[in-house]
Amino acid sequence: DQQVKQNSPSLSVQEGRISILNCDYTNSMFDYFLWYKKYPAEGPTFLISISSIKDKNEDGRFTVFLNKSAKHLSLHIVPSQPGDSAVYFCAASGGNDMRFGAGTRLTVKP
Amino acid sequence: DAGVIQSPRHEVTEMGQEVTLRCKPISGHDYLFWYRQTMMRGLELLIYFNNNVPIDDSGMPEDRFSAKMPNASFSTLKIQPSEPRDSAVYFCASMGTEDTEAFFGQGTRLTVV
Repeated sequence: DQQVKQNSPSLSVQEGRISILNCDYTNSMFDYFLWYKKYPAEGPTFLISISSIKDKNEDGRFTVFLNKSAKHLSLHIVPSQPGDSAVYFCAASGGNDMRFGAGTRLTVKP
Repeated sequence: DAGVIQSPRHEVTEMGQEVTLRCKPISGHDYLFWYRQTMMRGLELLIYFNNNVPIDDSGMPEDRFSAKMPNASFSTLKIQPSEPRDSAVYFCASMGTEDTEAFFGQGTRLTVV
């Protein structure tokens, strides 16, 4: 039962352009959403989050947008840099368990 | 704090053998999660504990999998008997009650041949 879905397994963008990673969820009980970044041979690390009472949260080059009615969130990276190349996991929590999507591999080309 | 510590980093075992993965959460964290990462399903939640008590083990794939948390500083995930399809990276994560994000260990890469 995939409660959190990332339908794009991979994304390739040019350095300096915008990267948009998408995520959908099914459980309306989720009230907190997170993005994690994972490099090879390392554990996922927290990147940015958003509460369900907001629709946007910005941190430097990273912005997360939440559309509760559509049960959809997205991560925007502007401008994208080669060091952003990694696997990005969307996560949703409600009641302290945390569910993840399958991940999207982002490649930023110089 | 050294963060969440998992051991071993890599484990190669033969089908049918018992495998035990270990995790030391961040001191003071009340929640501990075990996840499995596969190409097809990403990060799957297997089980999580709150104050050493298993809260939700619905993600544990089969009876061959079991997890324990005998105290606040240690947890194990055991697979007995192991099968090739169990090959994956297993992550442990911990989180404090007031935290909004979980902190992950570096994972254990399990290969069952």
